[in-house]
Amino acid sequence: GAGVSQSPSNKVTEKGKDVELRCDPISGHTALYWYRQSLGQGLEFLIYFQGNSAPDKSGLPSDRFSAERTGGSVSTLTIQRTQQEDSAVYLCASSLGLVSGGPTYEQYFGPGTRLTVT
Amino acid sequence: GENVEQHPSTLSVQEGDSAVIKCTYSDSASNYFPWYKQELGKRPQLIIDIRSNVGEKKDQRIAVTLNKTAKHFSLHITETQPEDSAVYFCAAVPGGGGADGLTFGKGTHLIIQP
Repeated sequence: GAGVSQSPSNKVTEKGKDVELRCDPISGHTALYWYRQSLGQGLEFLIYFQGNSAPDKSGLPSDRFSAERTGGSVSTLTIQRTQQEDSAVYLCASSLGLVSGGPTYEQYFGPGTRLTVT
Repeated sequence: GENVEQHPSTLSVQEGDSAVIKCTYSDSASNYFPWYKQELGKRPQLIIDIRSNVGEKKDQRIAVTLNKTAKHFSLHITETQPEDSAVYFCAAVPGGGGADGLTFGKGTHLIIQP
């Protein structure tokens, strides 16, 4: 079946501009996650959605970052007034989430959006 | 919050030998520990995982062990092959009952020497 998809695959923007990144999770997955991977670095958790609500926004690095998810499916991550330090690969993952019997943890990643701020 | 330490940062082994990567975590309530493999320019792929009620899990040439008392877990790859070359990340999910975000280690670059 179709995996997690993200768009665009690459985005080059000028410092100070706003950008929107999109994630389409695996069908039926109720949990959705955003991570950031800087060059040569590990993965940094940003935000987690269960359905349309975001129980954990603790990883968002500043108030320039926001995310929403509507209809329990597609999510967008918005970065306002981009800075050069925002340059990274933004990865989205999804999992079945909270189902009867408890949480299911296996997360499957999309291909990422490479953001370059010039 | 959770903190995951991973070592070594780089590991070079001869083809056919075994490789071991180790991770420690700080949150004693953490209950799920996945391992991801990431090839250059590709997405991270889940290769094996273990839950806190299990001490060891194997899948062909790959195994993961968990020591809850010591708060560490390890990835073992036997009979390494060139296609095993990649960056490997360990991770932990903090306890709390939800399907929360993963806290990752900084990765191990595994190099398989022919």
